[in-house]
Amino acid sequence: AQTVTQSQPEMSVQEAETVTLSCTYDTSESDYYLFWYKQPPSRQMILVIRQEAYKQQNATENRFSVNFQKAAKSFSLKISDSQLGDAAMYFCAYRSPYGGATNKLIFGTGTLLAVQP
Amino acid sequence: DAGITQSPRHKVTETGTPVTLRCHQTENHRYMYWYRQDPGHGLRLIHYSYGVKDTDKGEVSDGYSVSRSKTEDFLLTLESATSSQTSVYFCAISGGSTDTQYFGPGTRLTVL
Repeated sequence: AQTVTQSQPEMSVQEAETVTLSCTYDTSESDYYLFWYKQPPSRQMILVIRQEAYKQQNATENRFSVNFQKAAKSFSLKISDSQLGDAAMYFCAYRSPYGGATNKLIFGTGTLLAVQP
Repeated sequence: DAGITQSPRHKVTETGTPVTLRCHQTENHRYMYWYRQDPGHGLRLIHYSYGVKDTDKGEVSDGYSVSRSKTEDFLLTLESATSSQTSVYFCAISGGSTDTQYFGPGTRLTVL
């Protein structure tokens, strides 16, 4: 069974600085999808970024980028120029590629990010 | 934002009472999911649906049932609520070319 591990329960960053959140996963599948979701105090789950395992290029979305190391089964999220609005819980998630009944997300336990002004 | 609503948004109930949570989507997506979120566990899948009247269990399905009679609605029922079912419940949908899951706003359920 696939598992997702986020080893940093809490992190802190100064406004305008860069922070990296770690995620590792375990799977025997060769193709899959990885996601980062953000959950601010409003509780809404917001998709931050999506990575397809067969793509070598790391995904980026504005100030958010990932470092995807397939061999190491590592999927870290880098937030550049941190803003106060980035303060939230961040979840890493894994999904099989096959769709249908296997199309469920497997989540890590989350990293709570604080942004200091 | 994906058109997903959940009702109610907050509910307090007593042990032993039945509770039904509703998820409604306007995206006409095929797949719908119910997750629960608890501290230290992230989100865990309760049940999911891959079409009208087609549902299956997730990893934490005990004590829950679901129904989907229309594409747009997915109901989660706690037949006899217990304190261990106090949680935040999220509905999600997926479909289209990317199959990415999008989440509703969540329902906070407290069972006393």
